[in-house]
Amino acid sequence: GENVEQHPSTLSVQEGDSAVIKCTYSDSASNYFPWYKQELGKRPQLIIDIRSNVGEKKDQRIAVTLNKTAKHFSLHITETQPEDSAVYFCAASTMNRDDKIIFGKGTRLHILP
Amino acid sequence: DAGVIQSPRHEVTEMGQEVTLRCKPISGHDYLFWYRQTMMRGLELLIYFNNNVPIDDSGMPEDRFSAKMPNASFSTLKIQPSEPRDSAVYFCASSRGLLIYFGEGSWLTVV
Repeated sequence: GENVEQHPSTLSVQEGDSAVIKCTYSDSASNYFPWYKQELGKRPQLIIDIRSNVGEKKDQRIAVTLNKTAKHFSLHITETQPEDSAVYFCAASTMNRDDKIIFGKGTRLHILP
Repeated sequence: DAGVIQSPRHEVTEMGQEVTLRCKPISGHDYLFWYRQTMMRGLELLIYFNNNVPIDDSGMPEDRFSAKMPNASFSTLKIQPSEPRDSAVYFCASSRGLLIYFGEGSWLTVV
């Protein structure tokens, strides 16, 4: 089955700097890669996703890149702000009916003032 | 829609007691998921249903855990008997396509 590894488990960056979170997956059939953000005490919520037919997707200060050959994908946050402090989860799925989405263990991002 | 609704939000129970967590998915969603979140293991998928039928329960840790979905608008996750290591946040989520919507979670503490 699919296995998703996420690094680092904790990341601290100065406000205004960039943050990068990396994930690898094992199932070459996976073709859908969402990222969820979970603020303290709240539920995880989708912030961006990417499908295997594109290599990069951007939405304002966040971007995701995908390297299908190497089976890894990354989340990039630029010009970080205090409200970016949260736990971020990557995930992978094949988009086949009844196939499950597998989550990484999460990265706790701290934005330092 | 009010989103995925879970109850109780918080529960503290004694070891050995039965715990029942409840979930109401978003209307029209045909998939329902139960996740457990801990610091050590992150977000673990316990079981999920499609059209009220369990599809994959390989994540259910042991026989003490059971889940049911008697109809499209209600699901339960039961732990009997509960143990301290079951302390975690339990999330219910639902989806119709690829996008999963999570509930607020049920924070369980077993003492």
